[in-house]
Amino acid sequence: SQQGEEDPQALSIQEGENATMNCSYKTSINNLQWYRQNSGRGLVHLILIRSNEREKHSGRLRVTLDTSKKSSSLLITASRAADTASYFCVLPRAGGFKTIFGAGTRLFVKA
Amino acid sequence: DTEVTQTPKHLVMGMTNKKSLKCEQHMGHRAMYWYKQKAKKPPELMFVYSYEKLSINESVPSRFSPECPNSSLLNLHLHALQPEDSALYLCASTTTGEDTQYFGPGTRLTVL
Repeated sequence: SQQGEEDPQALSIQEGENATMNCSYKTSINNLQWYRQNSGRGLVHLILIRSNEREKHSGRLRVTLDTSKKSSSLLITASRAADTASYFCVLPRAGGFKTIFGAGTRLFVKA
Repeated sequence: DTEVTQTPKHLVMGMTNKKSLKCEQHMGHRAMYWYKQKAKKPPELMFVYSYEKLSINESVPSRFSPECPNSSLLNLHLHALQPEDSALYLCASTTTGEDTQYFGPGTRLTVL
């Protein structure tokens, strides 16, 4: 069944470095979303990229989507300790109202 | 107001208890969701309500009973739960036809 497979499962970097996480999927989609979850702010929507878009930016976040490779990446530039969280790619499911969370990447940013 | 609220924040219950979780949003969203999340796992969809009607039940055991009294409120009634039901229960909402979900902070449930 469709679910995003995220890579890496865990990532530890120093503050100021960039963090890249990837999501691959199996069947065609019309959009893909990224969410962040930490203990302080809960689960928060970061960005939605549609199938006709290749790249999207939001502040220090850059998301790419390659529909031919069925993969997406999330880049966080100049990371901060506050970016420590789990990041999930989320795929829509047929029939509407259904979203499937990938297993997530746990990012730890060391101050 | 872009907030989804959930009460209580924490709940401890015995296997014979009956309790309810509550979720509320005032964004005019007509789709509301319940998710279950175990530690270090992604959220798993349980139920979806659209226009106060149950649209999706992901084969959830009957000891979980959802209710949508109006367009702003979503309840999850709990009865005869098992210790393995201990988890974080998240509520979310969306406008119909839009995929971006707004999540509440969750209720951390412990079943003894």
